[in-house]
Amino acid sequence: DARVTQTPRDKVTEMGQEVTMRCQPILGHNTVFWYRQTMMQGLELLAYFRNRAPLDDSGMPKDRFSAEMPDATLATLKIQPSEPRDSAVYFCASGLWVAGVETQYFGPGTRLLVL
Amino acid sequence: GNSVTQMEGPVTLSEEAFLTINCTYTATGYPSLFWYVQYPGEGLQLLLKATKADDKGSNKGFEATYRKETTSFHLEKGSVQVSDSAVYFCALMDSGSNYKLTFGKGTLLTVNP
Repeated sequence: DARVTQTPRDKVTEMGQEVTMRCQPILGHNTVFWYRQTMMQGLELLAYFRNRAPLDDSGMPKDRFSAEMPDATLATLKIQPSEPRDSAVYFCASGLWVAGVETQYFGPGTRLLVL
Repeated sequence: GNSVTQMEGPVTLSEEAFLTINCTYTATGYPSLFWYVQYPGEGLQLLLKATKADDKGSNKGFEATYRKETTSFHLEKGSVQVSDSAVYFCALMDSGSNYKLTFGKGTLLTVNP
């Protein structure tokens, strides 16, 4: 049963520290998404990759957030420096896009708390 | 732009009650529609989907019909169980948004024994 994996599952850090979240998409999937979930804002799309190329990162604060796919089996989301307002659950999702509709499969999330 | 509006929760039902969660959408193109479910402490899971008008998606006793004339995709289940307690998200995807998912705010369902 193929699944998206995310590490760490939980992260507590202090304001100003760098945070790196990792995601392993389902083997064979060619799209990766990063979402942030908070009570106030709900689910927000931060970044979107297809075939490892960034397609859209308009939802991401550019001054402190960065998303990359070093290879097809790893996606990373970094926050530097972190701030208390970054506290949220961060989800990675992957999918197989073939000229149209795809289903996104979500990982279990990384729960981030910035003190 | 695209948007999804869901009925506000929380929704509390007794076991075996009938469930409806309303969802309406606004889209620039011809979207595909989805319902995702999030159990406590977990990520979202696809529950069902429909890709064109009048399609009915179904899974685990849940159903939703793509109604283009009313721009709606209401989720229904005839008899809910305690294990259905979760947050339900309606979402759309279309080519006009480069195939990104647009989510509603979610509806918390609690089913009591």
